Amino acid sequence: DAGVTQSPTHLIKTRGQQVTLRCSPKSGHDTVSWYQQALGQGPQFIFQYYEEEERQRGNFPDRFSGHQFPNYSSELNVNALLLGDSALYLCASTRQGMNTGELFFGEGSRLTVL
Amino acid sequence: KNQVEQSPQSLIILEGKNCTLQCNYTVSPFSNLRWYKQDTGRGPVSLTIMTFSENTKSNGRYTATLDADTKQSSLHITASQLSDSASYICVVSGQWGSQGNLIFGKGTKLSVKP
Repeated sequence: DAGVTQSPTHLIKTRGQQVTLRCSPKSGHDTVSWYQQALGQGPQFIFQYYEEEERQRGNFPDRFSGHQFPNYSSELNVNALLLGDSALYLCASTRQGMNTGELFFGEGSRLTVL
Repeated sequence: KNQVEQSPQSLIILEGKNCTLQCNYTVSPFSNLRWYKQDTGRGPVSLTIMTFSENTKSNGRYTATLDADTKQSSLHITASQLSDSASYICVVSGQWGSQGNLIFGKGTKLSVKP
């Protein structure tokens, strides 16, 4: 049973560029959330996707956008990259209606913006 | 303001010793509290999840306690091992199933030395 998988694991971009990160949820899960984790900080909620729609959004600018596909996988897109976007981007999945609301995280994508 | 405060910020202990990590929260309403272990550069892994009606839950050498009246939780690690070296993150949910209402602490960085 594959857990949450993310790609790429590491990437380096320059300011102003655009990046796309990908996530496949744990088998049986239909809801994907994205988090940004700066060094030494806790994860910050970006947004959540369910049934191919953005259901909730944290305090992030419109440069951050996402998509969910019919197979429940998801993408996170960040446009016009800033130095401050350098972080570990985590994807987490769960299943709507699960009693525990348990979140399963991927290993993350480490983005460095130069 | 909904907040999760963890202490200490960092901790160094010798292998085989016990330790206790603290989490205080001001999140209201309260739904559940979770403890995650995060190895450096990796995704968080769930240790325990407790609702307001549970005051203790164990997962191997990890035991979490919750006092919903004082809004405090602790994570006790027994007979520590080198592999326990990680950040431990306390997460409080203000609304069941709502990922956007998960409030993350900054974590306690634990180092276990031989």
